[in-house]
Amino acid sequence: KNQVEQSPQSLIILEGKNCTLQCNYTVSPFSNLRWYKQDTGRGPVSLTIMTFSENTKSNGRYTATLDADTKQSSLHITASQLSDSASYICVVTPDAGNMLTFGGGTRLMVKP
Amino acid sequence: SAVISQKPSRDICQRGTSLTIQCQVDSQVTMMFWYRQQPGQSLTLIATANQGSEATYESGFVIDKFPISRPNLTFSTLTVSNMSPEDSSIYLCSVDVGQKETQYFGPGTRLLVL
Repeated sequence: KNQVEQSPQSLIILEGKNCTLQCNYTVSPFSNLRWYKQDTGRGPVSLTIMTFSENTKSNGRYTATLDADTKQSSLHITASQLSDSASYICVVTPDAGNMLTFGGGTRLMVKP
Repeated sequence: SAVISQKPSRDICQRGTSLTIQCQVDSQVTMMFWYRQQPGQSLTLIATANQGSEATYESGFVIDKFPISRPNLTFSTLTVSNMSPEDSSIYLCSVDVGQKETQYFGPGTRLLVL
């Protein structure tokens, strides 16, 4: 069964600090890996999308990395802001079909 | 990109009633997806809605409970039938504008069943 595991489940950091969220997956082969940010009570919003041949993708203070050999991805948030408080979801698309495999998400809280 | 709107944004319903959720996209898309997100959980795919054909349901979801309409390429509805408190969730509509493009999600409909 294809799986996407995220860690940690939750994280509390102080405003201005950096943090890194992890995503391990067993989906293989895969078309792309996406990181989403989901504010409480809202739909997920795409942060980055990477194909299997890409190693890194940045979107402002968000930088995603991908190691297809170890099947690991990370999302690094630089100089965190209070508005970064949200759930971050790692999503993998298998090579065939359109069914996305969602990780359980990491709930990040940024405190002043 | 795609802009997706959902109605209603939230609702409180009584056990045994049904609620129809609408999803409108600002561009024509082939496939639309309906997801459920239970409290504290990640997203679970309910079904894929294709224009002109019956929706394809995932394991654990049936048409009698979650009937779906897809009358055109920009609109879909999901009905949650004969609701129980276990149906309390966020229901999200989503579209994929291309294999390599990101999947866009609507803002969600927050449902509470009493």
